[in-house]
Amino acid sequence: EVQVVESGGDMVQPGGSLRVSCAVSGFSLSSYAMSWVRQAPGKGLEWVSTSGGVDDTYYADSVRGRFTVSRDNSKNTVYLQMNSLRVEDTALYYCASLYTSAHSKYFYYWGQGTLVTVSS
Amino acid sequence: EIVLTQSPATLSLSPGERATLSCRAGQSVGSYLAWYQQKPGQAPRLLIYDASNRATGIPARFSGSGSGTDFTLTISSLEPEDFAVYYCQHRSHWWTFGQGTKVEIK
Repeated sequence: EVQVVESGGDMVQPGGSLRVSCAVSGFSLSSYAMSWVRQAPGKGLEWVSTSGGVDDTYYADSVRGRFTVSRDNSKNTVYLQMNSLRVEDTALYYCASLYTSAHSKYFYYWGQGTLVTVSS
Repeated sequence: EIVLTQSPATLSLSPGERATLSCRAGQSVGSYLAWYQQKPGQAPRLLIYDASNRATGIPARFSGSGSGTDFTLTISSLEPEDFAVYYCQHRSHWWTFGQGTKVEIK
């Protein structure tokens, strides 16, 4: 059974840092690209970052330069390091695996999310 | 960045009725479009990918159509568990979502 489990969400002050984790089981992380998608309270979905490997990472404009995604394939875990946090980064952060179709890549297996709150 | 616009924002229907949800792209996205369902307190779930292909385990009452700039998600006969928010999504340089359509019980 495939499982995706996020952890590490917390309340931090503006300007602070936080690292959230995403542990997967039921498949080998080394074979899949993984993404972070966030959802602010009562709002829609926003793509944050994708990691296909060490030199294959992508970031939304809103987080580029502040967030860093990394992965430890031996631990089947993906990390999102968030620095210089802003109030507008407050959201539920989902981790999702990417499914590659004939034409594109879509978010397939999702975790239940971890809540990051940025507030003074 | 390609903007995806969903309509209507809210759709009020009764169980058993047909639901038709629209997603319009600001420029052609070919057939590279997906639909997700999100129920309250749950993570999104992939329903349709490449515009018209159902993901594994998705009931046949869900169907997707369209290409280019205009796409439709149709639920042929609403079941009680189908009342949720639906998002369309596309990937060009990066991934973008529509703002969502809420299907609520009338």
